[in-house]
Amino acid sequence: QVHLVESGGGVVQPGRSLRLSCAASGFTFSAYGMHWVRQAPGKGLEWVAVIWSDGSNKYYADSVKGRFTISRDNSKDTVYLQMNSLRAEDTAVYYCTRDASGRKFDYWGQGTLVTVSP
Amino acid sequence: QSALTQPPSASGSPGQSVTISCTATSSDVGNYNYVSWYQQYPGKTPKLIIYEVNKRPSGVPDRFSGSKSGNTASLTVSGLQGEDEADYYCSSDRGNTVVFGGGTRLTVL
Repeated sequence: QVHLVESGGGVVQPGRSLRLSCAASGFTFSAYGMHWVRQAPGKGLEWVAVIWSDGSNKYYADSVKGRFTISRDNSKDTVYLQMNSLRAEDTAVYYCTRDASGRKFDYWGQGTLVTVSP
Repeated sequence: QSALTQPPSASGSPGQSVTISCTATSSDVGNYNYVSWYQQYPGKTPKLIIYEVNKRPSGVPDRFSGSKSGNTASLTVSGLQGEDEADYYCSSDRGNTVVFGGGTRLTVL
């Protein structure tokens, strides 16, 4: 069955960088667009970024544009989120999710917590 | 400020029906045909319950239904059960990006 497993979260100081990974299994990874969605503590869901199945296009939320970079390695069935210049407001659980066409997120990882704190 | 507005809370008694609205406040919210709804229990991962406005993934009870009128999409939960108490989020395409509503906490009285 489909599995998405995020890793790479942790505590980081403001201004520093962190790279999240999401390892996929149980489906043809290269056929699906992949997204990152985050959720700050006690808050709602916020879409972060998308990368197309072949990696040809990437789009970002205004709140992270210029600081975060999404990428993927279809040979490793893994999607990444490089987060630079981190801010306190980036503190959240970060989920990777599969886009089963039509912007429907049918499978989600368990999430990885990123805490930005001095 | 989200481009999709949801009421922060909704409630109903067991057996009743409850409808949660999701209104697009921005004119650039895609064609608004890719509206999805997600259910999330505290501390758990979101679960897709409605996609493309009114379609249900397999395994989702038919007590959950979706609709849309103009710029407002709606999720209706019929025959409320205690297990329906959760947070519900709508989402929509916005050109090449995606936007979520702020979420609605559904309480079963």
